[in-house]
Amino acid sequence: DAGITQSPRHKVTETGTPVTLRCHQTENHRYMYWYRQDPGHGLRLIHYSYGVKDTDKGEVSDGYSVSRSKTEDFLLTLESATSSQTSVYFCAISEPAGGSYEQYFGPGTRLTVT
Amino acid sequence: RKEVEQDPGPFNVPEGATVAFNCTYSNSASQSFFWYRQDCRKEPKLLMSVYSSGNEDGRFTAQLNRASQYISLLIRDSKLSDSATYLCVVNLLSGGYQKVTFGIGTKLQVIP
Repeated sequence: DAGITQSPRHKVTETGTPVTLRCHQTENHRYMYWYRQDPGHGLRLIHYSYGVKDTDKGEVSDGYSVSRSKTEDFLLTLESATSSQTSVYFCAISEPAGGSYEQYFGPGTRLTVT
Repeated sequence: RKEVEQDPGPFNVPEGATVAFNCTYSNSASQSFFWYRQDCRKEPKLLMSVYSSGNEDGRFTAQLNRASQYISLLIRDSKLSDSATYLCVVNLLSGGYQKVTFGIGTKLQVIP
């Protein structure tokens, strides 16, 4: 158990509204990630963070922003939600292991944009 | 060509059977490899890392073939509880940061 929680676990929102998802970890991991998972696609990286206030874009970052003001929290914001952002969002932390980086995931947030 | 390719299945196998999945990757500079297991509506969970020499964990064996750029997962004596989707993951360290690519997963259904 990597001590990762996500909130909310489920959310339904309307098109055009802002939405913020929170990822919280308790074990001081440096690397944190936000992914989305959709049928027919593998997990796709939205944004990642390699430290407080250090973030970078992943492959599907358009329409999303992130912030990391504390080691333990990584926030994902949809500035103006669209139906194409209906998805399951997973947060992950990365733990170096012998030169490679094993990832551990939070329980996910199911977001529906109507 | 996709960076990481997996047969989505489903693979339907009887209890006790042996089943194998392959996953191919396109970037020969990829450095580390993993298999994850994902149950329906749950988060992916690390099943095992894949080492160059191959590695085994109980009924599960993972192998890496760098020459042909694929990794494999073998499950022996399949149990009903093995039913899940198995995700292949490939890491590449680029510019000081790791790039992680997931396959779409292979669905396994073990039948009584």
